[in-house]
Amino acid sequence: DTAVSQTPKYLVTQMGNDKSIKCEQNLGHDTMYWYKQDSKKFLKIMFSYNNKELIINETVPNRFSPKSPDKAHLNLHINSLELGDSAVYFCASSQTSRGMAFFGQGTRLTVV
Amino acid sequence: QKEVEQNSGPLSVPEGAIASLNCTYSDRGSQSFFWYRQYSGKSPELIMSIYSNGDKEDGRFTAQLNKASQYVSLLIRDSQPSDSATYLCAARDNYGQNFVFGPGTRLSVLP
Repeated sequence: DTAVSQTPKYLVTQMGNDKSIKCEQNLGHDTMYWYKQDSKKFLKIMFSYNNKELIINETVPNRFSPKSPDKAHLNLHINSLELGDSAVYFCASSQTSRGMAFFGQGTRLTVV
Repeated sequence: QKEVEQNSGPLSVPEGAIASLNCTYSDRGSQSFFWYRQYSGKSPELIMSIYSNGDKEDGRFTAQLNKASQYVSLLIRDSQPSDSATYLCAARDNYGQNFVFGPGTRLSVLP
């Protein structure tokens, strides 16, 4: 009964490849997020979706494209991977009205 | 730009002592505040939330909020080595659409 699950947990790939990370939440939340945590552990928002609609799109290269097929799922597709994309990517979800965010286990992406 | 600031540490305290973690935020529109604990290689885990000025206690943890000073703190009483982790402060904006995280404070509790 995992609340926020993302797959895969580890992803090692070569530069130039395209990859996807999937996220699902079973908490009934209406908002989902993608965060990037770099080597200095700083957690930075990338995207936020509310009821399948994109509401936050921070300054992220357009090689990153989120997709929310329904409000329980938020996937992240990355084109033409670069070395600098190596990081841990966290999916999270919350309820809009003051609720706290719950995080998935993270996907450690390593681009070689 | 909305920011949350924390001392990066490391903050070292002996076992049994009180650990005090501090956080300031720039967006006066922030309404909700959270403390997360993150062990190395793991995901952030919520330990406290606070919405109103004053103190909120939960077990060994006490969160304090002062909206006039834009200041949030977390006290950990009777610190244990298992409390050694990075503590992330987060502020949620008025529309509930984003959590802005601080850079985290690394806490080390020495046996």
